[in-house]
Amino acid sequence: DAGVIQSPRHEVTEMGQEVTLRCKPISGHDYLFWYRQTMMRGLELLIYFNNNVPIDDSGMPEDRFSAKMPNASFSTLKIQPSEPRDSAVYFCASSSLGTGYQETQYFGPGTRLLVL
Amino acid sequence: AQKITQTQPGMFVQEKEAVTLDCTYDTSDQSYGLFWYKQPSSGEMIFLIYQGSYDEQNATEGRYSLNFQKARKSANLVISASQLGDSAMYFCAMREGNTGRRALTFGSGTRLQVQP
Repeated sequence: DAGVIQSPRHEVTEMGQEVTLRCKPISGHDYLFWYRQTMMRGLELLIYFNNNVPIDDSGMPEDRFSAKMPNASFSTLKIQPSEPRDSAVYFCASSSLGTGYQETQYFGPGTRLLVL
Repeated sequence: AQKITQTQPGMFVQEKEAVTLDCTYDTSDQSYGLFWYKQPSSGEMIFLIYQGSYDEQNATEGRYSLNFQKARKSANLVISASQLGDSAMYFCAMREGNTGRRALTFGSGTRLQVQP
């Protein structure tokens, strides 16, 4: 089975432009997570979905960020307008309800975003 | 207070030797899960091992084992017989159980370098 798929793998854009990151979770997984990794803040949750419904968006920095999951096999994270401080690696991860607390999250390869 | 603390920013180990990467956590939940991920220089996040708070035995996965000391709130990763390919960043993460929140909280990571 294919793992979590993210696109694009690299994105370079100019400040003020709209950026859309895409994610396809592992088939059958009902949880989808968006994380951001920076040198200053490490790995932090942005938002996660359960059965396509956003459950926790407390990590979304501000109104410039939005995320959607229109169906079980696709999610987007949009930044509009982008700013240099948004430069980071954005990871998508998915999981399914497991026994106990072993809901292992499987990560995609990440999207490396650079905003100039 | 930080939820996950990894006090070793960097570690060196000789090939074929064992190494322990430290992780302490902070939670008031009785039920929780602890995870270790590996991030090689290529950037992907690779799941290594899981330990549940109610698991009576330490988790093992091949050359990886988790030294779980619940009273001390520590979950150290032990890698036996280190290989050059083990050189990477290693992240400890926790999922707390009482709130039902599915997201992981990550530590700051330890960079392991295996020397020939």
